[in-house]
Amino acid sequence: LAKTTQPISMDSYEGQEVNITCSHNNIATNDYITWYQQFPSQGPRFIIQGYKTKVTNEVASLFIPADRKSSTLSLPRVSLSDTAVYYCLVGTRSGAGSYQLTFGKGTKLSVIP
Amino acid sequence: DTGVSQDPRHKITKRGQNVTFRCDPISEHNRLYWYRQTLGQGPEFLTYFQNEAQLEKSRLLSDRFSAERPKGSFSTLEIQRTEQGDSAMYLCACRGTEEGTVTDTQYFGPGTRLTVL
Repeated sequence: LAKTTQPISMDSYEGQEVNITCSHNNIATNDYITWYQQFPSQGPRFIIQGYKTKVTNEVASLFIPADRKSSTLSLPRVSLSDTAVYYCLVGTRSGAGSYQLTFGKGTKLSVIP
Repeated sequence: DTGVSQDPRHKITKRGQNVTFRCDPISEHNRLYWYRQTLGQGPEFLTYFQNEAQLEKSRLLSDRFSAERPKGSFSTLEIQRTEQGDSAMYLCACRGTEEGTVTDTQYFGPGTRLTVL
């Protein structure tokens, strides 16, 4: 299983761009990188997924360097509603093909007015 | 709203009692997961169903825990003889069939928060 390391917490002011970096030094060739967002008292919500280079959707961008040993989630112009825990996951496949997700502790992002 | 519902949202029980939680996944999603999340931690995998078959269980799923998914639709998670250490958020997630990929996008419900007194 590829282990991930990300900052425990980050603070940002409203309107700023936030970059959260995740390290995954032992990522496997077939692993994808996925980010989930979790608000208090809710289940995690898929944000973005990528394999290499850059992926962008309406919510965020994901930057993955060529060696794929790290990735950076970029949230443009954050608002108070972006206050949440952000989890970086690397694709996990069990022997039974369950594709269970392995979460770390995540990064708690606090957006300040 | 992800389309996944869980009931109840909150449950308070006394130690030693049995509790049962229900999950209703997105109707066309044949894969269903249960996770447990304690305060300050990420969700931890408990068990996995493909249709009605329970194909995988975590070591976290002690013999006091049992999960079912009759008819491959809704699922229940029962905890017998609850202990204070069972206090956590129990999350259900589902996933559709995406053959030929190694990616996994799961849709989570809002969870059931269990408090064991």
